Amino acid sequence: QSVLTQPPSASGTPGQRVTMSCSGSYSDIGKNYVYWYQQVPGTAPKLLFYKNNQRPSGVPDRFSGSKSGSSASLVISGLRSEDEADYYCAAWDDSLSGWVFGGGTKLTVL
Amino acid sequence: QLQLQESGPGLVRPSETLSLTCTVSGGSMTSTDNFWGWIRQPPGKGLEWIGSIYHSGGTYYNPSLYKSRVTISVDTSTKQFSLKLHSVTAADTAIYYCARHYGDDPKDAFDIWGQGTMVTVSS
Repeated sequence: QSVLTQPPSASGTPGQRVTMSCSGSYSDIGKNYVYWYQQVPGTAPKLLFYKNNQRPSGVPDRFSGSKSGSSASLVISGLRSEDEADYYCAAWDDSLSGWVFGGGTKLTVL
Repeated sequence: QLQLQESGPGLVRPSETLSLTCTVSGGSMTSTDNFWGWIRQPPGKGLEWIGSIYHSGGTYYNPSLYKSRVTISVDTSTKQFSLKLHSVTAADTAIYYCARHYGDDPKDAFDIWGQGTMVTVSS
């Protein structure tokens, strides 16, 4: 069972706005940055956001990230078929002195 | 452009030791002061952090999953870092990824990943 909690699935039609959540605790998200990864099936994860809401170069601004307390959200606006993937949140956990991940949300573009 | 490549046996017998190596190419392991890590993904499941190492040898391991079963080492002269997981069981079957932390803090996220290598534990 993952330390961070994510809904197992999400879906939307092209052009729609989709929100994915990630819930943790004080020792992980509450005290540290949240990171998001995108994983297209059969490929390695790709860093989508660092330090809560910072996009690496190449990530479209249709993607946005935020954090509030011990929870975080990833929003995709103007959904596109190529956004279909698994999305994982992650954070450093001070009580474990290590990384914890969410179980992932599988995004389907209908 | 920095690239990482995992290598090692794809099949390991139960109770034996899983050994993987990650080779860094296209850049230095020391000039940018990064941590380097291992993450795994059981088939159809999510990501699990195994541990990370600094180029000078300092390590962090996932205490809740692996305790004394894991050893991560680094050899900057060959631009490689390695994972050893002892006393494996079928539950250790997974895709194993090596990755680079983007900074010199283990709290920095993984920004460059290898393609991953599938390891199956079976007799």
